[in-house]
Amino acid sequence: DTEVTQTPKHLVMGMTNKKSLKCEQHMGHRAMYWYKQKAKKPPELMFVYSYEKLSINESVPSRFSPECPNSSLLNLHLHALQPEDSALYLCASSQTPANEYTDTQYFGPGTRLTVL
Amino acid sequence: GNSVTQMEGPVTLSEEAFLTINCTYTATGYPSLFWYVQYPGEGLQLLLKATKADDKGSNKGFEATYRKETTSFHLEKGSVQVSDSAVYFCALMDSSYKLIFGSGTRLLVRP
Repeated sequence: DTEVTQTPKHLVMGMTNKKSLKCEQHMGHRAMYWYKQKAKKPPELMFVYSYEKLSINESVPSRFSPECPNSSLLNLHLHALQPEDSALYLCASSQTPANEYTDTQYFGPGTRLTVL
Repeated sequence: GNSVTQMEGPVTLSEEAFLTINCTYTATGYPSLFWYVQYPGEGLQLLLKATKADDKGSNKGFEATYRKETTSFHLEKGSVQVSDSAVYFCALMDSSYKLIFGSGTRLLVRP
């Protein structure tokens, strides 16, 4: 089973709202990722967690706040977003923190976020 | 830096036609190479991968061979179906352990 689940599937929020995206995997993977994908573009890496610790932050604005409460769960907290943050947010996981770069990332279905 | 280049789309084919989507890469060392597929409104699904030169990845009738001499990883399928209509992303994983994606190629298969 290579399933990564994400909730909610769709989210509409105002610029003053606070919301959270959730990602879960039960494959025993120790690395988890957040990507942002704009329409007709490839995904762009935002954050990487390895063994529940933040290992990569691709200079993402602080209005995006990731959290990894345990090895199966990854959250993305959203606050004071802008309309240009509207996108598909994808979560992924891989077995190891990619200390072998043959490792494969498995993606969830994504959360489609609209910021009004 | 490392990069992936894919052919511009959309690629429009009739059902049962032969498919080739070109992918070339620039990288130092020996990256792993991947093809992901994204169906409308969905996330990315791993289609196939190859981790060293001359490896052939295959899945669901799709194939791609890691060609180090030409730095290519072209995706092929002998007979496409309408259900193969999707966006296909070629990607490499480099020594910094990041996935680097190509721009994506949209495939439209007509009945």
